[in-house]
Amino acid sequence: QSVLTQPPSVSGAPGQRVTISCIGSSSNIGAGFDVHWYQQLPGTAPRLLIYGNSFRPSGVPDRFSGSKSGTSASLAITGLQAEDEADYYCQSYNGSLSGRVFGGGTKLTVL
Amino acid sequence: QVHLVESGGGVVQPGGSLRLSCVASGFTFNFYGMHWVRQAPGKGLEWVAFIRYDGSNETFADSVKGRFTISRDNTKNTLFLQMSSLRAEDTAIYYCAKAPNLGTYIDYWGQGTLVTVSS
Repeated sequence: QSVLTQPPSVSGAPGQRVTISCIGSSSNIGAGFDVHWYQQLPGTAPRLLIYGNSFRPSGVPDRFSGSKSGTSASLAITGLQAEDEADYYCQSYNGSLSGRVFGGGTKLTVL
Repeated sequence: QVHLVESGGGVVQPGGSLRLSCVASGFTFNFYGMHWVRQAPGKGLEWVAFIRYDGSNETFADSVKGRFTISRDNTKNTLFLQMSSLRAEDTAIYYCAKAPNLGTYIDYWGQGTLVTVSS
């Protein structure tokens, strides 16, 4: 059972918009800790997609955006492309555990 | 370009020990904190441990506390994870990962090394 809760799967057709939620608690997201997102393509290591709730590292397309409100956060992907098919993970910091915590991951399928 | 290369994975019996290494290049290693993160087969990511840039402080996930230690040799740009009292549930790909100067995220990941705990 992950500390941060994500839907196991989402799907969308090419060109569509999808969102992935990440629900935390008052010990992590709700305590003010930032949320970050990672993309893991099949068979590869994760890569940083969004940091500090809504910032994109250089090289990440602006089709990817992040937001945070209260005890939850969301990743939005617009203009879906086949190459976006991957697993997506949210991550934050948990004050009561004194460590980083991940969501369980969401598998994105592009129909 | 940041490059992190893990090694030391393999098959070990339950109760055994293993030491993972991660050689870093492409950045000033002794300026940055470092993490180990693992991923069991077909499962999600689990943060394992963190060490500050100067090795002065380490933190661990509850699942490995007391069994794993994290250390670094800044003269050799190398990060270590010493694992003992290994259990079947420690079977995973172990990723070495770099922390930024500020922030709780991970900005670069290695390709990982597989640890299998099995008799």
